[in-house]
Amino acid sequence: DTAVSQTPKYLVTQMGNDKSIKCEQNLGHDTMYWYKQDSKKFLKIMFSYNNKELIINETVPNRFSPKSPDKAHLNLHINSLELGDSAVYFCASSFYHEQYFGPGTRLTVT
Amino acid sequence: DAKTTQPNSMESNEEEPVHLPCNHSTISGTDYIHWYRQLPSQGPEYVIHGLTSNVNNRMASLAIAEDRKSSTLILHRATLRDAAVYYCILRGLNLGVETSGSRLTFGEGTQLTVNP
Repeated sequence: DTAVSQTPKYLVTQMGNDKSIKCEQNLGHDTMYWYKQDSKKFLKIMFSYNNKELIINETVPNRFSPKSPDKAHLNLHINSLELGDSAVYFCASSFYHEQYFGPGTRLTVT
Repeated sequence: DAKTTQPNSMESNEEEPVHLPCNHSTISGTDYIHWYRQLPSQGPEYVIHGLTSNVNNRMASLAIAEDRKSSTLILHRATLRDAAVYYCILRGLNLGVETSGSRLTFGEGTQLTVNP
């Protein structure tokens, strides 16, 4: 069984569109995250939720809005997509020390 | 956040041990040393973590210097599958609860190449 899953795996869209990436974890973890990995391979945290409550919100444009309907899900909605949003987005969940990452969603904005 | 310094790249031969170094001279007393790795086209994967004592698990060993200003991740027998970027990360945890100060901050890591 997949521990942390993301959909879609690939997302190609045009500038100005709105898109969502879904994340689900079946590990029973309380904390979930979104990370962005840019073309230079730098991996940066965007958001962290603990028990559906936002606890980390990095300097991310407010076009990005995470939504956690329940502990097992943390979705990422992006409005008015820009070229610079092209990246791989990783969802993760954790319990204490170990973070488990999803396979990533490669977003390409044209 | 306390920073870590790692070599950009290292090479190893298959079935030989690999020692991946990490310097963290500004580590604080509550910082745990975490190692993650990222295989090509995959998400990062937890490897090991420690605070003061050396640690072993099925994937690797972590040797922590007595002054905690450096650590070494040891892969006992490298395989081709171990070729990845290895990240050494300091992370403070307050009673095991995630806080704004306990995030994982990834650096550039060490690209490990394993030669057959």
